[in-house]
Amino acid sequence: QKEVEQDPGPLSVPEGAIVSLNCTYSNSAFQYFMWYRQYSRKGPELLMYTYSSGNKEDGRFTAQVDKSSKYISLFIRDSQPSDSATYLCAMSARVGGNNRLAFGKGNQVVVIP
Amino acid sequence: SQTIHQWPATLVQPVGSPLSLECTVEGTSNPNLYWYRQAAGRGLQLLFYSVGIGQISSEVPQNLSASRPQDRQFILSSKKLLLSDSGFYLCACRPLAGFSYEQYFGPGTRLTVT
Repeated sequence: QKEVEQDPGPLSVPEGAIVSLNCTYSNSAFQYFMWYRQYSRKGPELLMYTYSSGNKEDGRFTAQVDKSSKYISLFIRDSQPSDSATYLCAMSARVGGNNRLAFGKGNQVVVIP
Repeated sequence: SQTIHQWPATLVQPVGSPLSLECTVEGTSNPNLYWYRQAAGRGLQLLFYSVGIGQISSEVPQNLSASRPQDRQFILSSKKLLLSDSGFYLCACRPLAGFSYEQYFGPGTRLTVT
């Protein structure tokens, strides 16, 4: 079983719809949970991060963590064409003094005007 | 804030040829540096990381190597490329200040081995 599972299937939604993305993980040592956004032919950039179980909002974005189920989600409300990108979940654990990130495969999201 | 430069942006190389990808970082000192490879549908694979000059840790045994000759310079090399080395190579840095789990990524190099 991979440490981080993210179904890489593409997602197409109409403008204004809610986008729902999720990842599961198996390593209980993961402490921080992140979502990165990657535009085509660019490097990923950090979108949000959370530490504890619960919800965290930032504008139209909500990150949700359920440590008991080892499940994290990202919701995008009122989606815009500019949200079209690949979204990768990432999780961190401290290994041998170094903060290691484990990434999901990423979901390509297309918001259709 | 830090800026990461990578070159070249794209590269097409024949099987068996050597490789050298360069990454330089501006705006921070003594960062942790990382090389990742991103293949289609396979996510980000950590190849190497470095916590200081000359200090390289390898995550995946392969025909690639990395070096850090200066604090803000990270180089990825190969003596003989394989077809399986094709992919999108990303350099990342983690500055000492700020959220300790955030990594900043460069623009990437798209490598095609033919």
